[in-house]
Amino acid sequence: GNSVTQMEGPVTLSEEAFLTINCTYTATGYPSLFWYVQYPGEGLQLLLKATKADDKGSNKGFEATYRKETTSFHLEKGSVQVSDSAVYFCALINPDTGNQFYFGTGTSLTVIP
Amino acid sequence: GAVVSQHPSRVICKSGTSVKIECRSLDFQATTMFWYRQFPKQSLMLMATSNEGSKATYEQGVEKDKFLINHASLTLSTLTVTSAHPEDSSFYICSARGKRRAFFGQGTRLTVV
Repeated sequence: GNSVTQMEGPVTLSEEAFLTINCTYTATGYPSLFWYVQYPGEGLQLLLKATKADDKGSNKGFEATYRKETTSFHLEKGSVQVSDSAVYFCALINPDTGNQFYFGTGTSLTVIP
Repeated sequence: GAVVSQHPSRVICKSGTSVKIECRSLDFQATTMFWYRQFPKQSLMLMATSNEGSKATYEQGVEKDKFLINHASLTLSTLTVTSAHPEDSSFYICSARGKRRAFFGQGTRLTVV
């Protein structure tokens, strides 16, 4: 079946620190992988995505590379800001099994000045 | 701005009462909407897929008589939690599929006391 395992939080970092949030997945075939972000009081927003192996998604300084050999899609940012404080969800869609998302548990990030 | 509006964002209700959650796509027509539920420290899990004008398709283990889904128009789907109990307390989030991607509501935190 399909599943996403995501690093548990909460994560607290100082401003300008390096961020990694680990995400690994289980799926048959060739899923598309996503990172969604949820700011306080708002809905999930697409942060970045990758649709095939070795693709790198990037947005707002965040990056994640689709690694088929390690079934991973770790989220990274070189220098976090206070405004990055949010909950981050790793997710996949598997065309072989329909259009639903499979989500990780979410990782809460707090960045302190 | 938000393209999917979910209302209410928080609701507290008494055991035995029913609660309705609305999900509206604001500037596009969504033939398909999804309802997810998240228990504390767990993944968002798909509850049901809602297609406009037809009955919702429920995932295994989700009681269709308890979680009533209505998708009466291309811009509105509702989830009604009937005869709510404390174990129904959870975070519910809807997703509406546009032509190229999915958009999420901000979620509803339901607390049943």
